[in-house]
Amino acid sequence: QSVLTQPPSASGTPGQRVTISCSGGRSNVGSNIVNWYQQIPGTAPKLLIHSDTRRPAGVPDRFSGSKSGTLASLAIRGLQSEDEADYYCGTWDDTLDAVVFGGGTKLTVL
Amino acid sequence: EVQLVQSGGDLIQPGGSLTLSCVASGITVNSKFLSWVRQVPGKGLEWVSVMHPGGNTYYAGPVKGRFSISRDNSKNTVFLHMTSLSVGDTAVYYCASSTGWPGFDDWGQGTLVTVSS
Repeated sequence: QSVLTQPPSASGTPGQRVTISCSGGRSNVGSNIVNWYQQIPGTAPKLLIHSDTRRPAGVPDRFSGSKSGTLASLAIRGLQSEDEADYYCGTWDDTLDAVVFGGGTKLTVL
Repeated sequence: EVQLVQSGGDLIQPGGSLTLSCVASGITVNSKFLSWVRQVPGKGLEWVSVMHPGGNTYYAGPVKGRFSISRDNSKNTVFLHMTSLSVGDTAVYYCASSTGWPGFDDWGQGTLVTVSS
């Protein structure tokens, strides 16, 4: 069971907006930056959002991150077929002294 | 361009030991946070260990006392030494570098460790 809670699945049609939530506690999401990763099956994860809201160079602005208290969210607007992947949130946990991840959300583009 | 090239994955018997390597290019390993993250096939990501630029190391609970992270600056390489391996350690192991901790900017290709008799 993961320290951070994500919905196991999400879906949308091309062009739609989808959000994926990441719920944690005061020792992790509530007090540390959250990062988001995209993983296409069979490949290594890719950093999608860092420091709660910032996009690395090359990541389309269709992807955005937000955080309020102990809840972080990833939003994808203008959904495209190539967005079909697994998405993970991650952060540091001050109590565990460890990086913790969410269980991952499988995004399906219908 | 940052590249992390991994090697060392293998089939190993329970109780055995194994060392994974991660050769970096485009960065110097003593200037970044270098981590190991593992993933059981079909499951989620699990952080294993990190070495800070200053040399401090941290480990996840399930591997503490059994795994050790180190680096060779002259070879620009990070290692994960794994001992007392059990079936539960079976996973794809990734090395990853971070500029801003704990965001993993760049990842290796992954290497499969299978612990089985």
